[in-house]
Amino acid sequence: EVQLVESGGGLVQPGGSLRLSCVASGFTFSRSWMSWVRQTPGKGLEWVANIKEDGSEEYYVDSVRGRFTISRDNAKNTLFLQMNSLRVEDGGKYYCARAPRLFDWDYWGQGTPVTVSS
Amino acid sequence: ETVLTQSPATLSLSPGERATLSCRASESVGSYLAWYQQKPGQAPRLLIYDASNRAIDIPDRFSGSGSGTDFTLTISSLEPEDFAVYYCQQRSNWPPLTFGGGTKVEIK
Repeated sequence: EVQLVESGGGLVQPGGSLRLSCVASGFTFSRSWMSWVRQTPGKGLEWVANIKEDGSEEYYVDSVRGRFTISRDNAKNTLFLQMNSLRVEDGGKYYCARAPRLFDWDYWGQGTPVTVSS
Repeated sequence: ETVLTQSPATLSLSPGERATLSCRASESVGSYLAWYQQKPGQAPRLLIYDASNRAIDIPDRFSGSGSGTDFTLTISSLEPEDFAVYYCQQRSNWPPLTFGGGTKVEIK
């Protein structure tokens, strides 16, 4: 059974940082493109970032480029999202998801909530 | 950025009725369009990929059609568990990958 389990969300002040994690099981993580997708009150579902199987390619939505970094540890079947310089509008639920094609997503985690507020 | 516009915003139907949901793209996405279902408190679930291919374990009452800029998700006979929000998403023109705003299918 495929499982994606996110963690690391929480309450942070504007300008602060958070690091999200997603532990994968039930499939060959090292052979899968992975993504972060968020759901916010303001913009609904929004793609955030993609990372290639071996971590050699990364792609970001413009609004987070330069502030967020996607990475992975294939030895630990774990995906990360380092979020810096957080803004109020970054608040929402963050999902990790597997991309069997470039790009839609067949398996999603349960999401981890991020709140950016002073 | 390719904008996806879904209509209607809300669809009020009874169990057993047919649901027809629309997704229109601001530019051609070929057949690179997916549909997702989302229930309250749950993650989105992939229903259809590449316009007309059902994902694993999706019942055949769900079907997708279209190409270019106009796409349709049809639920042939609504079951109680089908009342949810549905989103389309394109993977043709990226970055960014984009989603539509959603159609809520509610019980009439």
